[in-house]
Amino acid sequence: GDSVTQMEGPVTLSEEAFLTINCTYTATGYPSLFWYVQYPGEGLQLLLKATKADDKGSNKGFEATYRKETTSFHLEKGSVQVSDSAVYFCALRGGGSNYKLTFGKGTLLTVNP
Amino acid sequence: KAGVTQTPRYLIKTRGQQVTLSCSPISGHRSVSWYQQTPGQGLQFLFEYFSETQRNKGNFPGRFSGRQFSNSRSEMNVSTLELGDSALYLCASSLRALAGRTFYNEQFFGPGTRLTVL
Repeated sequence: GDSVTQMEGPVTLSEEAFLTINCTYTATGYPSLFWYVQYPGEGLQLLLKATKADDKGSNKGFEATYRKETTSFHLEKGSVQVSDSAVYFCALRGGGSNYKLTFGKGTLLTVNP
Repeated sequence: KAGVTQTPRYLIKTRGQQVTLSCSPISGHRSVSWYQQTPGQGLQFLFEYFSETQRNKGNFPGRFSGRQFSNSRSEMNVSTLELGDSALYLCASSLRALAGRTFYNEQFFGPGTRLTVL
């Protein structure tokens, strides 16, 4: 079945540091890939997405590229801020009209001033 | 536009009891999905409802059930609660269909219901 493996945390960075959170997946067919973010006490928010190979999703300075050859969708940001502190989830959705999202375990990011 | 609403936000039950959680989707959205979030298992898909019918189902025992009403509001029920059912239960709503065509579009998540089973 589908699965997502992402870098275990926690990750602690200083403000303005470079961020990478690794994510690899296993899926049949052509999945869509997502990064969600969860702030304390809140639900998930979609951060960015990519629906086909070589697509780059980007939002709020975060980027991720759908790499089919390496089955990866790594999240990057050039300069993190304290407000980026949250839990980040990589997720995939299989093709067709299936609404099931398969999530990675999540990575806690803490950014210190 | 109001977001996804989940009630109650917090719930404490004892083993053996049953519980019903409610989710009101964004106005106009017709699909509601439910997820269980625990520290050990992470986020796991429970089921999805669209047009009052269950469309997809995850790998959970029959104690977990749900339904959707004609106004797209959804409830999920857990019977004979176990300690391991303690979790954050999230629902997500999506438009899913327009003018007779179904398609995938973004799922918007609610803040969740924190269930504690003692």
